[in-house]
Amino acid sequence: EVQLLESGGGLVQPGGSLRLSCAASGFSLRTYAMDWVRQTPEKGLEWVATLSGSGSSPYYADAVKGRFTISRDTSKNTLYLQMNTLKFEDTALYYCVKEEGFSGADYFASWGQGTLVTVSS
Amino acid sequence: EIVMTQSPATLSVSPGERVTLSCRASQSVSRYLAWYQQKPGQAPSLLIYGASTRATGVPARFSGSGSGTEFTLTITGLKSEDFAVYYCQQYNNWPPTLTFGGGTKVEFK
Repeated sequence: EVQLLESGGGLVQPGGSLRLSCAASGFSLRTYAMDWVRQTPEKGLEWVATLSGSGSSPYYADAVKGRFTISRDTSKNTLYLQMNTLKFEDTALYYCVKEEGFSGADYFASWGQGTLVTVSS
Repeated sequence: EIVMTQSPATLSVSPGERVTLSCRASQSVSRYLAWYQQKPGQAPSLLIYGASTRATGVPARFSGSGSGTEFTLTITGLKSEDFAVYYCQQYNNWPPTLTFGGGTKVEFK
């Protein structure tokens, strides 16, 4: 059974940093692309970043490019999202998501329960 | 960026009714369209992919259709557990810029 368990959310000041983690079980991160998707009441669901199954091809939404970094540790089967220079508008519930495919740009087969990031002074 | 537009924003219906939700893409996404259901306090879950293929375990009362820019999710014989928000998502472009519609809330009339 696929399970995705996010952690690392919290309250951070504007300009600060936070690292989200997603512990995956029931499959290997080497065989599927993985994403981070965030959700707010105002903007709804917003794709943030994708990492292919090879781990060599990260892609980012324009809103986070240059500030966020998606990565993984295959020995721990864990996905990460390093978020730097955080802005008020990054406040959201962040979901770790498993794609159906390997290369990225596929539909989202499984979702974690989310971790809340609040950017506030 | 491909913009996804869902209509209506809210649908007030009664159990047993047939419900039709619409999703329009700003440019063709072929059949690379997925639908998700989200209940309060829960993460979204996959309903339909490839515009019309039901995900594992999804009841047959859910059906998807369309291609190009116009898509429809139909729920035939709405059940109480179907009251939720439904989102469409396109996954047609490369490099990936995956986009969602704004959602349709199906609420109890």
